[in-house]
Amino acid sequence: GQNIDQPTEMTATEGAIVQINCTYQTSGFNGLFWYQQHAGEAPTFLSYNVLDGLEEKGRFSSFLSRSKGYSYLLLKELQMKDSASYLCAFMDSNYQLIWGAGTKLIIKP
Amino acid sequence: NAGVTQTPKFRVLKTGQSMTLLCAQDMNHEYMYWYRQDPGMGLRLIHYSVGEGTTAKGEVPDGYNVSRLKKQNFLLGLESAAPSQTSVYFCASSNPGVHTGELFFGEGSRLTVL
Repeated sequence: GQNIDQPTEMTATEGAIVQINCTYQTSGFNGLFWYQQHAGEAPTFLSYNVLDGLEEKGRFSSFLSRSKGYSYLLLKELQMKDSASYLCAFMDSNYQLIWGAGTKLIIKP
Repeated sequence: NAGVTQTPKFRVLKTGQSMTLLCAQDMNHEYMYWYRQDPGMGLRLIHYSVGEGTTAKGEVPDGYNVSRLKKQNFLLGLESAAPSQTSVYFCASSNPGVHTGELFFGEGSRLTVL
């Protein structure tokens, strides 16, 4: 079967670093995606990993280990505007996205 | 740039009523999707389309129908609404190939069925 898991909620301090983990199980894999969703808004694309390793994009980085079925999103120099839900999703063998329930990140001053 | 536009943004229905959600995209994307998002759950795919005139069932298609008569439009219909269909509905679009998973979402349509 297929499943994907990420923490429900995390809290971090402005200016700090936070790592949001995502684990998945699937027999077919075509990439791992991270999206950001502010409350009451639409999800927006953040990153895509298909090979093992770290992809850096400004303050945000995403890591993938295919052998471990594991990914994380690393957010540096946290800002209040980073308060949002972060959605992890993998693309299965049918090129369909399977979504996690999202991690709500709360940033405190 | 409008991107993906959904109408209506909010709607309240009584059980048994019907309605149609309209999605329009101006990015010339081939693929379009309808998702629902419920608290504590991931986005769930209702129906999708890989091109004009084609549609396919997703994970939770029961109680919904779709049509893609024009490339830029993707309609989601509820024939007889049920309280279980109370949700936030998102339309999205993308292109095939390496960018298939980079979805562009509409702002969402919040539907309440009483």
